[in-house]
Amino acid sequence: QAVVTQEPSLTVSPGGTVTLTCGSSTGAVTSGHYPYWFQQKPGQAPRTLIYDTSNKYSWTPARLSGSLLGGKAALTLSGAQPDDEAEYYCMLSYSGGRVFGGGTILTVL
Amino acid sequence: EVQLVESGGGLVKPGGSLRLSCAASGFSVTNAWMNWVRQAPGKGLEWVGRITRKIDGGATDYAAPVKGRFTISRDDSKNTLYLQMNSLETEDTAVYYCLALQSIGCWGQGTLVTVSS
Repeated sequence: QAVVTQEPSLTVSPGGTVTLTCGSSTGAVTSGHYPYWFQQKPGQAPRTLIYDTSNKYSWTPARLSGSLLGGKAALTLSGAQPDDEAEYYCMLSYSGGRVFGGGTILTVL
Repeated sequence: EVQLVESGGGLVKPGGSLRLSCAASGFSVTNAWMNWVRQAPGKGLEWVGRITRKIDGGATDYAAPVKGRFTISRDDSKNTLYLQMNSLETEDTAVYYCLALQSIGCWGQGTLVTVSS
């Protein structure tokens, strides 16, 4: 089974920009992996932020964007706010199923 | 309003069975890529399995740890997704979520399954 890798933790200053990445043990992440990004705050169910690499939902903050960057899926947060402090998970699609990354704990400090 | 509501969790002994339900509103599970995801206490998210849209054949796929023990099904008339879990192990203890992917992007609130003697 493929392994999906994320940074365990990142810190961003309020108003700053940070990029979270999502890599695959099988090689470069492409649009064919249909990358998703999710946000989870303590004690809450996850929330979907991005689907199919870069598509947003009506509830996705405009300061978040998804892309492919250097062979990985990427989630960029521009203009970080305290409310963005959370754990972020990516998920990739492979033949026969999907795999989550281990999650990135994002601190806004 | 698009919503998913899980039910059916609880305490079960190792080797036992449990069936989880996920009732959808605001959209049709028949036309959605429906998934089950779990989260063990203090751990990350783990994909459990999926059922494709009816138009795509309604095929199911499962993660290796649950393959052969868990079964996903759908009742279109009740607009409900199910997860039948057999031969439960202590490692299956987790909050179980249903998730509608693509443009729906909706999660349920989760239901706790505890496998313990």
